[in-house]
Amino acid sequence: QVQLVESGGGVVQPGRSLRLSCAASGFTVDSYGMHWVRQAPGKGLEWVAVISYDGNKKYYADSVKGRFTISRDNPKNTLYLQMSSLRTEDTALYYCAKGSGNYSNDYWGQGTLVTVSS
Amino acid sequence: SYELTQPPSVSVSPGQTASITCSGDKLESIYVSWYQQKPGQSPLLVIYQDNKRPSGIPERFSGSNSGNTATLTISGTQAMDEADYSCQAWDRNSVVFGGGTKLTVL
Repeated sequence: QVQLVESGGGVVQPGRSLRLSCAASGFTVDSYGMHWVRQAPGKGLEWVAVISYDGNKKYYADSVKGRFTISRDNPKNTLYLQMSSLRTEDTALYYCAKGSGNYSNDYWGQGTLVTVSS
Repeated sequence: SYELTQPPSVSVSPGQTASITCSGDKLESIYVSWYQQKPGQSPLLVIYQDNKRPSGIPERFSGSNSGNTATLTISGTQAMDEADYSCQAWDRNSVVFGGGTKLTVL
């Protein structure tokens, strides 16, 4: 069955970098668009980035554009989010989510927590 | 950037019908999805493409989208339906979520 397992979260100082990973199983990441979505403590969902099924298109929320980079490793069937110049407002639970092909996200991981604090 | 607006909270009595709205400019021209999220859990897709239910989602969940408003309707609401519900829309090259609505069943 489909499973998404995020890792790489932790406590980091403002201005530093962090890389999140999302290991997928039960499907191949090069067959679907893949997303990162975050949720600040006590807040709603915020879309962060998407990579198209063929890897040719990458789009970002304005709040992270120029600081975050989405990528994937097809042989490892893993999605990544490279985060740089982190800010306190980037503190959130980061989910990876599989695109369904029907303008929705049909599977979500359990999330990995990123805390940006000095 | 595109924005989706939801009421912060909705209350419903058990067995009654709950309606949660999601508003956006000309929303009917794009597909809307709905997610249920219970405390400590990841979001669960309950409605996609305005009114379609994924496998395993009870029939009491339905959706509609007309004009500037999409609506998630839960018929015969059960205590287990108490959760946060978020709408989602895909606008050009980005994805937008509503702020979420806390559904209380009391």
